[in-house]
Amino acid sequence: QSALTQPASVSGSPGQSITISCTGTSSDVGGYNYVSWYQQHPGKAPKLMIYEVSNRPSGVSNRFSGSKSGNTASLTISGLQAEDEADYYCSSYTSSSTLTVVFGGGTKLTVL
Amino acid sequence: EVQLVESGGGLVQPGRSLRLSCAASGFTFDDYAMHWVRQAPGKGLEWVSGISWNSGSIGYADSVKGRFTISRDNAKNSLYLQMNSLRAEDTALYYCAKAPYGSGSYFFDYWGQGTLVTVSS
Repeated sequence: QSALTQPASVSGSPGQSITISCTGTSSDVGGYNYVSWYQQHPGKAPKLMIYEVSNRPSGVSNRFSGSKSGNTASLTISGLQAEDEADYYCSSYTSSSTLTVVFGGGTKLTVL
Repeated sequence: EVQLVESGGGLVQPGRSLRLSCAASGFTFDDYAMHWVRQAPGKGLEWVSGISWNSGSIGYADSVKGRFTISRDNAKNSLYLQMNSLRAEDTALYYCAKAPYGSGSYFFDYWGQGTLVTVSS
């Protein structure tokens, strides 16, 4: 169960758009539409932002969108706002065993 | 309102055991799969274990397989994690997380605030 690969950090200015990538294999990201994304502010529990590649839970801003191509999933945040500064984690189902999930290493988003 | 409240964390010596609990409220507990996710201090998220609504499907991360046991008591709306043979690398904040379906769901729509487990002599 190897972790998914994310960039350690990304940054952008208010109003800009940024994209965070999440690379796995055909046994996880590439093989299933079970990629999700979580936002975590310091000292807080993670919050679900995107599920099943591109679906937004109720209450999550439409500035957040998800996509997938091959073994790489992406989270795009448009119209960056100061409150978007946080850690972001991708995760995916992995076929390595029953009911198993693997996370990415996390990406620190800095809003300049 | 969905609430997940973890308890049972603390300081424990290497090789010893600890049992975590998660009390759920605000939803029909026995309709949903539940999971444990942990986060070592200053590190990323790591999925630990998951259990389907009826305990028929259970999974573990390789790092805890054979040492940790997940279980649930639907009558008590509670999720548990029995942790044996604890190691220093098990030190983390342990989150209880709810899945949106009874089985076959691999993301988490609600999270607790976590309970801290510290393994040290």
